[in-house]
Amino acid sequence: DSGVTQTPKHLITATGQRVTLRCSPRSGDLSVYWYQQSLDQGLQFLIQYYNGEERAKGNILERFSAQQFPDLHSELNLSSLELGDSALYFCASSVLEAGNTIYFGEGSWLTVV
Amino acid sequence: AQTVTQSQPEMSVQEAETVTLSCTYDTSESDYYLFWYKQPPSRQMILVIRQEAYKQQNATENRFSVNFQKAAKSFSLKISDSQLGDAAMYFCAYRSGLNYGGSQGNLIFGKGTKLSVKP
Repeated sequence: DSGVTQTPKHLITATGQRVTLRCSPRSGDLSVYWYQQSLDQGLQFLIQYYNGEERAKGNILERFSAQQFPDLHSELNLSSLELGDSALYFCASSVLEAGNTIYFGEGSWLTVV
Repeated sequence: AQTVTQSQPEMSVQEAETVTLSCTYDTSESDYYLFWYKQPPSRQMILVIRQEAYKQQNATENRFSVNFQKAAKSFSLKISDSQLGDAAMYFCAYRSGLNYGGSQGNLIFGKGTKLSVKP
């Protein structure tokens, strides 16, 4: 158990819908990251937050947004969902914004039908 | 920009034997960290081992060890006494150190090596 908690673990939704994925980082971790992993692709970095502030953006679509709240939990919002958005979405956390180890949650499986 | 390359898409090893997974990286930074993550069929991302670039000594975690060649920018993972539970996708990853933090603080992954273990 990495200490990073993600909900829901599985989600099935229809095209055009909107979903929210939630992440609670490890206790004491200030930095949160979101990654997307499709079946045939590697891990794609989406976005990073550090202590509530956006730090870096990767290959995140405009239909996707995220935020980190004062209690440090984070949410990833996916809207106008398309079939191609079906993927495993990982949240990860670390103490600092660089350097030390990043720990991953178990992921949220999103299936768009 | 930093890149990580894993040149072996698939590897196979006999149970109880030793296997080495290769990883090379490219960076102009002097402060960085390297990691190996394991992703079993459950798709969970599990940290296997970590190496700080400033440390000359190779990291070891039980049956897992690395061969860190800084000048060659090489970071291979050796798995000794392979077990059936070692079968997984293994990802090599790079992370900038604090001196380069902020926008470069996320992990940069290789494409992975799928390891199968034969009984």
